[in-house]
Amino acid sequence: AQSVTQLGSHVSVSEGALVLLRCNYSSSVPPYLFWYVQYPNQGLQLLLKYTSAATLVKGINGFEAEFKKSETSFHLTKPSAHMSDAAEYFCAVIIIQGAQKLVFGQGTRLTINP
Amino acid sequence: DTGVSQNPRHKITKRGQNVTFRCDPISEHNRLYWYRQTLGQGPEFLTYFQNEAQLEKSRLLSDRFSAERPKGSFSTLEIQRTEQGDSAMYLCASSLEGADTQYFGPGTRLTVL
Repeated sequence: AQSVTQLGSHVSVSEGALVLLRCNYSSSVPPYLFWYVQYPNQGLQLLLKYTSAATLVKGINGFEAEFKKSETSFHLTKPSAHMSDAAEYFCAVIIIQGAQKLVFGQGTRLTINP
Repeated sequence: DTGVSQNPRHKITKRGQNVTFRCDPISEHNRLYWYRQTLGQGPEFLTYFQNEAQLEKSRLLSDRFSAERPKGSFSTLEIQRTEQGDSAMYLCASSLEGADTQYFGPGTRLTVL
């Protein structure tokens, strides 16, 4: 079965510092991986996705993620945090067969300190 | 592009009452998904439609839950005899068949007292 694990339910960084949110996946087939962001009382917005093309994926708002098969990881990074990045971030893998449903991690709440 | 819309955004109800939520997907999207998100957790898949056909349901979807998509456009999710454990955010998403990206609506937050 395909699944993702997000390490760290809460991450706190200073404004201007590096943001690193960790995600490891488990999949018996080449995975399609996603990062979504959720602001308070809102739905999920797609940040970026990996679909077996380039291993370094660039997304919106300056975020990027690197797919590392040897480490089964898809960590999300941003060089310099902004106050507006404070939100909940979810890593997800898609089940390609049938419904193509998303399987999400538990989420990481990112707090930005001024 | 008007995006995925959901109504109502918030619903407070008493235990035992029935509630119905509506989702309007992006107009050309033929796939529609319902997910449930409880506090501090990631969304979990509930059910999926391709056009008007409901093709998959999660074991999370008890007999008190029913979803429809009568004309292959909007969808409704009904919960009968609500329980406190049904309190959650109910998210709708849509996509094109064959596409890997799902677009989410703002969600309906249900509180069962």
